[in-house]
Amino acid sequence: DTGVSQDPRHKITKRGQNVTFRCDPISEHNRLYWYRQTLGQGPEFLTYFQNEAQLEKSRLLSDRFSAERPKGSFSTLEIQRTEQGDSAMYLCASSSASGQPQHFGDGTRLSIL
Amino acid sequence: TQLLEQSPQFLSIQEGENLTVYCNSSSVFSSLQWYRQEPGEGPVLLVTVVTGGEVKKLKRLTFQFGDARKDSSLHITAAQPGDTGLYLCAVQGAQKLVFGQGTRLTINP
Repeated sequence: DTGVSQDPRHKITKRGQNVTFRCDPISEHNRLYWYRQTLGQGPEFLTYFQNEAQLEKSRLLSDRFSAERPKGSFSTLEIQRTEQGDSAMYLCASSSASGQPQHFGDGTRLSIL
Repeated sequence: TQLLEQSPQFLSIQEGENLTVYCNSSSVFSSLQWYRQEPGEGPVLLVTVVTGGEVKKLKRLTFQFGDARKDSSLHITAAQPGDTGLYLCAVQGAQKLVFGQGTRLTINP
């Protein structure tokens, strides 16, 4: 059973560095979502793709953040010039259609030193 | 302000006890979902409730959707250490999920 896969699982970096995370969704799912979860909070929506098109972005997604899904399969989330406040768990989810359950990966935990 | 308010935020009880956690809002929803998240893992969907007043059971877990579809509760009977985790309620927006802040539950042996 190939669920949603995220890489790396953990990332520690210094403030000001750029980081990139990867998400491989369930293969037949055309919808892909990114969420951010800080300690003691529920996940917050960042952005959503249908196939390769990025259809919605949260105001949380500052201009330092960019997400891509070039071939409609895997997705990457890049954070440029990381700040302390970027420390969080970054979760990816995928679904087969609108309104269908979203299946989550185990996240990438980012720590900014 | 949070769209979904969960209470309590933290709960620590002994194995074998019963507990109820709540998810409240002033908005009406067409459906509501409950997830459990264990440390270092992503949320896993437990149940979706759709109809006002609906009760769904999943082994020792009982989920209820309020009659007005503004609130929901999760009741666990005879809690076990394996029930430990973060319990999240969520509603489906146009595409995205909107989560409450969660109830962190610890069951002590």
